[in-house]
Amino acid sequence: QVQLVQSGAEVKKPGASVKVSCKASGYTFTSYDINWVRQATGQGLEWMGWMNPNSGNTGYAQKFQGRVTMTRNTSISTAYMELSSLRSEDTAVYYCARGLVFRFDPWGQGTLVTVSS
Amino acid sequence: DIQMTQSPSSLSASVGDRVTITCRASQSISSYLNWYQQKPGKAPKLLIYAASSLQSGVPSRFSGSGSGTDFTLTISSLQPEDFATYYCQQSYSTLCSFGQGTKLEIK
Repeated sequence: QVQLVQSGAEVKKPGASVKVSCKASGYTFTSYDINWVRQATGQGLEWMGWMNPNSGNTGYAQKFQGRVTMTRNTSISTAYMELSSLRSEDTAVYYCARGLVFRFDPWGQGTLVTVSS
Repeated sequence: DIQMTQSPSSLSASVGDRVTITCRASQSISSYLNWYQQKPGKAPKLLIYAASSLQSGVPSRFSGSGSGTDFTLTISSLQPEDFATYYCQQSYSTLCSFGQGTKLEIK
Protein backbone atom coordinates (compact mmCIF):
# COMPACT_ATOMS: atom_id res chain seq x y z
CA GLN A 1 0.00 0.00 0.00
CA VAL A 2 1.02 3.61 -0.48
CA GLN A 3 2.94 4.75 2.58
CA LEU A 4 5.16 7.58 3.75
CA VAL A 5 7.41 6.86 6.73
CA GLN A 6 9.18 9.75 8.42
CA SER A 7 12.29 9.90 10.57
CA GLY A 8 12.14 10.09 14.33
CA ALA A 9 11.75 12.94 16.78
CA GLU A 10 14.48 15.57 17.04
CA VAL A 11 15.57 17.98 19.74
CA LYS A 12 17.55 21.00 18.56
CA LYS A 13 19.00 24.13 20.06
CA PRO A 14 18.01 27.58 18.81
CA GLY A 15 20.01 28.55 15.74
CA ALA A 16 20.60 24.95 14.67
CA SER A 17 19.19 23.15 11.63
CA VAL A 18 17.06 20.03 11.38
CA LYS A 19 16.63 17.63 8.47
CA VAL A 20 13.55 15.39 8.39
CA SER A 21 13.25 12.47 5.99
CA CYS A 22 10.19 10.95 4.36
CA LYS A 23 10.51 7.54 2.72
CA ALA A 24 7.89 6.62 0.15
CA SER A 25 6.75 3.12 -0.77
CA GLY A 26 3.95 1.49 -2.73
CA TYR A 27 4.04 3.88 -5.71
CA THR A 28 6.42 5.47 -8.19
CA PHE A 29 8.19 8.11 -6.12
CA THR A 30 8.88 10.43 -9.06
CA SER A 31 5.25 10.56 -10.19
CA TYR A 32 3.84 12.69 -7.37
CA ASP A 33 4.90 15.84 -5.53
CA ILE A 34 5.90 15.76 -1.88
CA ASN A 35 4.55 18.55 0.31
CA TRP A 36 5.51 19.50 3.84
CA VAL A 37 3.04 20.76 6.43
CA ARG A 38 3.68 21.57 10.06
CA GLN A 39 1.49 21.81 13.13
CA ALA A 40 2.42 23.43 16.42
CA THR A 41 0.85 21.90 19.52
CA GLY A 42 -2.84 22.73 19.67
CA GLN A 43 -2.65 24.77 16.48
CA GLY A 44 -3.76 24.37 12.87
CA LEU A 45 -2.01 23.11 9.77
CA GLU A 46 0.60 25.30 8.10
CA TRP A 47 1.77 24.49 4.59
CA MET A 48 5.51 24.93 4.09
CA GLY A 49 6.17 24.00 0.48
CA TRP A 50 6.33 21.38 -2.24
CA MET A 51 8.92 19.47 -4.23
CA ASN A 52 8.68 17.59 -7.50
CA PRO A 53 10.83 14.47 -6.98
CA ASN A 54 11.28 14.00 -10.71
CA SER A 55 12.71 17.43 -11.54
CA GLY A 56 13.74 18.58 -8.08
CA ASN A 57 11.74 21.77 -8.58
CA THR A 58 10.45 23.34 -5.40
CA GLY A 59 8.05 26.01 -4.19
CA TYR A 60 8.11 27.43 -0.70
CA ALA A 61 5.67 29.44 1.37
CA GLN A 62 6.92 32.99 1.70
CA LYS A 63 7.19 32.62 5.47
CA PHE A 64 9.88 29.96 5.07
CA GLN A 65 11.78 31.34 2.08
CA GLY A 66 15.50 31.39 2.83
CA ARG A 67 15.19 28.98 5.76
CA VAL A 68 13.76 25.82 4.22
CA THR A 69 15.27 23.48 1.65
CA MET A 70 13.45 20.49 0.18
CA THR A 71 15.49 17.80 -1.58
CA ARG A 72 15.23 14.17 -2.56
CA ASN A 73 17.18 11.00 -3.25
CA THR A 74 15.31 9.14 -5.96
CA SER A 75 17.47 6.02 -5.61
CA ILE A 76 15.93 5.38 -2.20
CA SER A 77 12.55 7.09 -2.76
CA THR A 78 13.17 9.54 0.05
CA ALA A 79 12.37 13.22 0.39
CA TYR A 80 13.98 15.59 2.84
CA MET A 81 13.02 18.86 4.46
CA GLU A 82 15.73 20.92 6.11
CA LEU A 83 14.86 23.95 8.24
CA SER A 84 17.63 26.24 9.42
CA SER A 85 18.06 29.00 12.01
CA LEU A 86 15.63 27.24 14.29
CA ARG A 87 13.76 29.18 16.97
CA SER A 88 11.35 28.10 19.68
CA GLU A 89 8.38 28.93 17.45
CA ASP A 90 9.51 26.15 15.08
CA THR A 91 8.63 23.53 17.68
CA ALA A 92 5.98 21.48 15.90
CA VAL A 93 5.06 18.20 14.29
CA TYR A 94 6.26 18.17 10.69
CA TYR A 95 4.35 16.08 8.14
CA CYS A 96 5.16 15.06 4.61
CA ALA A 97 2.29 14.29 2.27
CA ARG A 98 2.03 12.99 -1.27
CA GLY A 99 0.50 15.62 -3.48
CA LEU A 100 -1.59 15.36 -6.62
CA VAL A 101 -2.77 18.76 -7.85
CA PHE A 102 -2.08 19.88 -4.28
CA ARG A 103 -4.47 17.44 -2.68
CA PHE A 104 -2.58 15.54 -0.03
CA ASP A 105 -2.93 11.80 0.37
CA PRO A 106 -1.53 9.97 2.17
CA TRP A 107 0.40 11.71 4.92
CA GLY A 108 3.40 10.54 6.85
CA GLN A 109 3.05 9.81 10.54
CA GLY A 110 4.66 13.10 11.55
CA THR A 111 7.99 14.03 13.12
CA LEU A 112 8.13 16.08 16.32
CA VAL A 113 10.84 18.72 16.24
CA THR A 114 11.49 20.41 19.57
CA VAL A 115 13.60 23.57 19.69
CA SER A 116 14.87 24.27 23.18
CA SER A 117 17.99 25.60 24.82
CA ASP B 1 -1.83 34.87 -0.66
CA ILE B 2 -5.27 33.29 -0.47
CA GLN B 3 -6.78 33.29 3.01
CA MET B 4 -9.16 30.53 4.06
CA THR B 5 -11.66 31.15 6.84
CA GLN B 6 -13.69 28.37 8.44
CA SER B 7 -16.78 28.70 10.57
CA PRO B 8 -17.54 27.83 13.20
CA SER B 9 -14.22 27.31 14.98
CA SER B 10 -15.87 24.74 17.22
CA LEU B 11 -19.13 22.91 17.21
CA SER B 12 -20.95 20.62 19.63
CA ALA B 13 -23.29 18.02 18.20
CA SER B 14 -24.84 14.66 18.98
CA VAL B 15 -24.61 11.29 17.29
CA GLY B 16 -27.10 11.23 14.44
CA ASP B 17 -27.09 15.00 13.91
CA ARG B 18 -26.59 16.62 10.52
CA VAL B 19 -23.64 19.00 10.64
CA THR B 20 -22.39 21.63 8.22
CA ILE B 21 -19.01 23.37 8.29
CA THR B 22 -18.32 26.39 6.11
CA CYS B 23 -15.11 27.53 4.44
CA ARG B 24 -14.68 30.87 2.69
CA ALA B 25 -11.79 31.87 0.42
CA SER B 26 -10.49 35.43 0.16
CA GLN B 27 -10.74 35.20 -3.64
CA SER B 28 -12.30 32.84 -6.13
CA ILE B 29 -10.66 29.41 -6.16
CA SER B 30 -13.08 27.74 -8.57
CA SER B 31 -13.50 24.21 -7.18
CA TYR B 32 -9.94 23.80 -5.93
CA LEU B 33 -10.98 23.02 -2.38
CA ASN B 34 -10.16 19.97 -0.28
CA TRP B 35 -11.36 18.84 3.15
CA TYR B 36 -9.37 16.86 5.74
CA GLN B 37 -10.23 15.18 9.02
CA GLN B 38 -7.71 15.02 11.84
CA LYS B 39 -8.02 13.04 15.05
CA PRO B 40 -5.82 13.76 18.09
CA GLY B 41 -2.27 12.53 17.67
CA LYS B 42 -2.87 11.43 14.08
CA ALA B 43 -2.03 12.78 10.65
CA PRO B 44 -4.81 14.44 8.66
CA LYS B 45 -6.87 12.31 6.30
CA LEU B 46 -8.25 13.47 2.94
CA LEU B 47 -12.06 13.34 2.86
CA ILE B 48 -13.19 15.46 -0.08
CA TYR B 49 -11.26 16.86 -3.05
CA ALA B 50 -12.21 19.27 -5.82
CA ALA B 51 -14.96 20.62 -3.56
CA SER B 52 -17.36 17.69 -3.96
CA SER B 53 -15.50 14.49 -4.89
CA LEU B 54 -15.44 11.83 -2.20
CA GLN B 55 -12.03 10.29 -1.60
CA SER B 56 -11.96 6.52 -2.00
CA GLY B 57 -12.87 4.72 1.20
CA VAL B 58 -14.57 7.71 2.84
CA PRO B 59 -18.15 7.03 4.03
CA SER B 60 -20.92 8.51 1.92
CA ARG B 61 -22.32 10.47 4.89
CA PHE B 62 -19.60 13.00 4.09
CA SER B 63 -20.29 15.41 1.26
CA GLY B 64 -18.91 18.69 -0.02
CA SER B 65 -20.31 21.49 -2.11
CA GLY B 66 -19.56 24.98 -3.35
CA SER B 67 -17.45 26.85 -5.84
CA GLY B 68 -15.87 30.26 -6.16
CA THR B 69 -15.40 31.52 -2.63
CA ASP B 70 -17.94 29.63 -0.49
CA PHE B 71 -17.81 25.93 0.37
CA THR B 72 -19.44 23.54 2.80
CA LEU B 73 -18.66 20.16 4.29
CA THR B 74 -21.72 18.24 5.45
CA ILE B 75 -21.91 15.14 7.59
CA SER B 76 -25.40 13.76 7.13
CA SER B 77 -25.63 11.66 10.30
CA LEU B 78 -22.83 11.99 12.82
CA GLN B 79 -21.15 8.82 13.98
CA PRO B 80 -18.98 8.51 17.11
CA GLU B 81 -15.83 8.24 14.99
CA ASP B 82 -16.55 11.58 13.28
CA PHE B 83 -15.68 13.69 16.31
CA ALA B 84 -12.45 15.30 15.16
CA THR B 85 -11.05 18.53 13.73
CA TYR B 86 -11.81 19.40 10.11
CA TYR B 87 -9.69 21.58 7.84
CA CYS B 88 -10.33 23.04 4.43
CA GLN B 89 -7.44 23.66 2.04
CA GLN B 90 -7.27 25.59 -1.20
CA SER B 91 -5.27 24.06 -4.04
CA TYR B 92 -5.97 26.83 -6.57
CA SER B 93 -2.65 28.51 -5.99
CA THR B 94 0.71 26.74 -6.01
CA LEU B 95 1.09 28.43 -2.62
CA CYS B 96 -1.68 26.49 -0.99
CA SER B 97 -3.21 27.29 2.39
CA PHE B 98 -5.44 25.80 5.06
CA GLY B 99 -8.34 27.10 7.06
CA GLN B 100 -7.86 27.40 10.81
CA GLY B 101 -9.86 24.27 11.54
CA THR B 102 -13.25 23.38 13.04
CA LYS B 103 -13.28 21.18 16.12
CA LEU B 104 -16.34 18.96 16.25
CA GLU B 105 -17.12 17.84 19.78
CA ILE B 106 -19.69 15.58 21.36
CA LYS B 107 -22.61 17.36 22.98
